[in-house]
Amino acid sequence: AQKITQTQPGMFVQEKEAVTLDCTYDTSDPSYGLFWYKQPSSGEMIFLIYQGSYDQQNATEGRYSLNFQKARKSANLVISASQLGDSAMYFCAMRTGGSQGNLIFGKGTKLSVKP
Amino acid sequence: NAGVTQTPKFRILKIGQSMTLQCAQDMNHNYMYWYRQDPGMGLKLIYYSVGAGITDKGEVPNGYNVSRSTTEDFPLRLELAAPSQTSVYFCASSYLPSQGQESTDTQYFGPGTRLTVL
Repeated sequence: AQKITQTQPGMFVQEKEAVTLDCTYDTSDPSYGLFWYKQPSSGEMIFLIYQGSYDQQNATEGRYSLNFQKARKSANLVISASQLGDSAMYFCAMRTGGSQGNLIFGKGTKLSVKP
Repeated sequence: NAGVTQTPKFRILKIGQSMTLQCAQDMNHNYMYWYRQDPGMGLKLIYYSVGAGITDKGEVPNGYNVSRSTTEDFPLRLELAAPSQTSVYFCASSYLPSQGQESTDTQYFGPGTRLTVL
């Protein structure tokens, strides 16, 4: 079965510090993509970062990086230098090669950045 | 560039009423999706479309219908609203190249429609 697991319902981080949000996945498909989305309190879903299963290097986008450990089936999101505006829900999602592009989402992690 | 637009933003329905949630994208994406997000949960796929005239069921299709007559539009229809359909509905679109090609196919989401059924 294909599944995304986010084990941290909530996380706190001090402003300007780095934080890691955990995500593990389960699939038998050799081709897949992993995504992270941010959902602020306003409700919209904002794409942050993507990692393909065949990518050799970890993806980075500004202050966001994805710690991809294929053997452990983990795709943790690292946010460096946290800002107050980073407070939001964060969702990990997976798209498998045979899924017609459909995304499977985890339950999310609520990140709160403290001043 | 508007991206993905959804109307209405909010709606309250009575049990048994019907309505259509509108979704449009101007990015010429071939794939479109409808998700629902229940409180405290991630998104679940209701229906998706790989192109005009082609739709298919997702994880939670019961109580909904869709159509895709054009590339741009992908409306979601609720025929007999039930309290269990109280949720936030997101439409999304992406571009997928030919089968077998690796791509980022990032899904871009609309702002959502918050629906309450009383």
